[in-house]
Amino acid sequence: EIVMTQSPATLSVSPGERVTLSCRASQSFSGTLAWYQQKPGRAPRLLIYGASTRATDIPARFSGSESGTEFTLTISSLQSEDFAVYYCQQYSRWPITFGQGTRLEIK
Amino acid sequence: EVQLLESGGGLVQPGESLRLTCATSGFTFTTFAMAWVRQAPGKGLEWVSAISGSGTVTYYADSVKGRFTISRDNSKNTVYMQMNSLRVEDTARYYCANSVGRGGLRFDNWGQGTQLTVSS
Repeated sequence: EIVMTQSPATLSVSPGERVTLSCRASQSFSGTLAWYQQKPGRAPRLLIYGASTRATDIPARFSGSESGTEFTLTISSLQSEDFAVYYCQQYSRWPITFGQGTRLEIK
Repeated sequence: EVQLLESGGGLVQPGESLRLTCATSGFTFTTFAMAWVRQAPGKGLEWVSAISGSGTVTYYADSVKGRFTISRDNSKNTVYMQMNSLRVEDTARYYCANSVGRGGLRFDNWGQGTQLTVSS
């Protein structure tokens, strides 16, 4: 099983800041990684797939990248609506696995 | 507009059975894989099961293998999850999701979920 480790668990940031969330895989794979945003009481929403492709209607301030087993979600300028929990997910091998999530909170 | 609507959750006792239903609309159902993902209270996301567009191929997490069965009725645009021998640790909100992309199972669209509580 591929274990996905997200860091940090919680990140306190101010609106307008640039933020980078990390997701590290226990085994190497390429491209088959997604990022989701989840707000309280809501279903997750797909942000990024293929490690770097924005999903439909996702603002350009969200971007994804990969380097080896390290995957990164960057939000260029945080908006108030971006404070949420973010999950990464690998879909390279079964079983599909998620990271434990990173909570973005207002500083 | 893609819509996924889960139903069938509730409160059951350990060892009992329940069937979840996910009714869909707004996309070509038979073309795409479907999946169930759950989230225990205050916890992260856990993939549970997936089924191919034709319904001939299924996958399960080890935690539910042998107890849960995923199926689909392509004539009704609906996917099901039959859950047997339920355990307290199955308590979670169960989300239905579709995967409309190529190259693996990402979850493009999600329902709002249905809550399952297993408790004596």
